[in-house]
Amino acid sequence: KNEVEQSPQNLTAQEGEFITINCSYSVGISALHWLQQHPGGGIVSLFMLSSGKKKHGRVIATINIQEKHSSLHITASHPRDSAVYICAVTPPHNTDKLIFGTGTRLQVFP
Amino acid sequence: DTGVSQDPRHKITKRGQNVTFRCDPISEHNRLYWYRQTLGQGPEFLTYFQNEAQLEKSRLLSDRFSAERPKGSFSTLEIQRTEQGDSAMYLCASSLDYGQVNEKLFFGSGTQLSVL
Repeated sequence: KNEVEQSPQNLTAQEGEFITINCSYSVGISALHWLQQHPGGGIVSLFMLSSGKKKHGRVIATINIQEKHSSLHITASHPRDSAVYICAVTPPHNTDKLIFGTGTRLQVFP
Repeated sequence: DTGVSQDPRHKITKRGQNVTFRCDPISEHNRLYWYRQTLGQGPEFLTYFQNEAQLEKSRLLSDRFSAERPKGSFSTLEIQRTEQGDSAMYLCASSLDYGQVNEKLFFGSGTQLSVL
């Protein structure tokens, strides 16, 4: 069993729909990252959070440390949001590397 | 462009050949990471540098792999005697460590290696 699990693995949506991607982890962490990976490999860091909620434009990330769970929400989804969204965590005693989930592939159709 | 750049973007090689990839981090970043990603999987940590010092290597990094960051700026990752199992996307990332944990990582676009 992976230390970082994401669901769903694949997600399709119509433009305008509200999207939720979930991440659960089984290890203690000092921070959780949400990353966006576009076709061709480029990865962009969306959020880094250790508690509560962060918002950037139409994208919101939340984390519940007690439940070891985080969610990424996209409101008013758009085809340009199509990408793989990866959750990664930083263990508390080894802050120099990330443990990655396998990603959620999102496709938003017009 | 002041992001992380990697070269080449794609590399096709025959089994047994040596290959070298280059990563240029964001100029003021003192930490540099190498990750490997296979199809359908999340990236896996390979190694990282703090300035020119290589501080950690994953068990995934066999003796055929070597990474350097001689002047604390760009880094190279060399794979000797490539095997088909080395085929993957090799990702480089950098961050600025100023004594706090969890600095934001910036990734390059990766080098896609195909070993025939």
